[in-house]
Amino acid sequence: TQLLEQSPQFLSIQEGENLTVYCNSSSVFSSLQWYRQEPGEGPVLLVTVVTGGEVKKLKRLTFQFGDARKDSSLHITAAQPGDTGLYLCAGPLNTGGFKTIFGAGTRLFVKA
Amino acid sequence: ETGVTQTPRHLVMGMTNKKSLKCEQHLGHNAMYWYKQSAKKPLELMFVYNFKEQTENNSVPSRFSPECPNSSHLFLHLHTLQPEDSALYLCASSQDPGAGGDTQYFGPGTRLTVL
Repeated sequence: TQLLEQSPQFLSIQEGENLTVYCNSSSVFSSLQWYRQEPGEGPVLLVTVVTGGEVKKLKRLTFQFGDARKDSSLHITAAQPGDTGLYLCAGPLNTGGFKTIFGAGTRLFVKA
Repeated sequence: ETGVTQTPRHLVMGMTNKKSLKCEQHLGHNAMYWYKQSAKKPLELMFVYNFKEQTENNSVPSRFSPECPNSSHLFLHLHTLQPEDSALYLCASSQDPGAGGDTQYFGPGTRLTVL
């Protein structure tokens, strides 16, 4: 069974700190996506990584896809209160069809 | 504003009630999805519709009944629910569900409480 495990489950940090959250699987994914979900809203796509070893940057957010395409990380530099939210990783099931599986998420709280 | 709207935003219902959730997408996408989001659990895919045809039913109990009259509208009819069905129900749409890494656009969700 393909699973995506995210860690940590919860993270509370001060404004200005750096942090890294992880998304791991024992299965290979053709791509992985990161979404952010703010309270009272649905998830919004941040990035899609496709190539093993790929690094993508989105302002203070850096996303990396593992060389073996089994894991991904999200690093936030100088976190701000606006970064608060639930960070979800997601990927397509290898069995084809129209299924995407999601991790349980990392809930980040950045204190001012 | 993601282009996907859901109504109602909040719903409280008894176990014997019948209610419906509505989703509308204004993005011209071909596929629509229902997900269930419970606390500390991954999003659970419930149903997928592609060009109005149901392509996935992820072993969802029959007390949840989807309806997709056209590519822009999706309903979830609820009947005889259980308290454990209380969750956030998210609707999403995408352009090409068969493509790996297809971006899904989510609505804000309906927070459902079953008493």
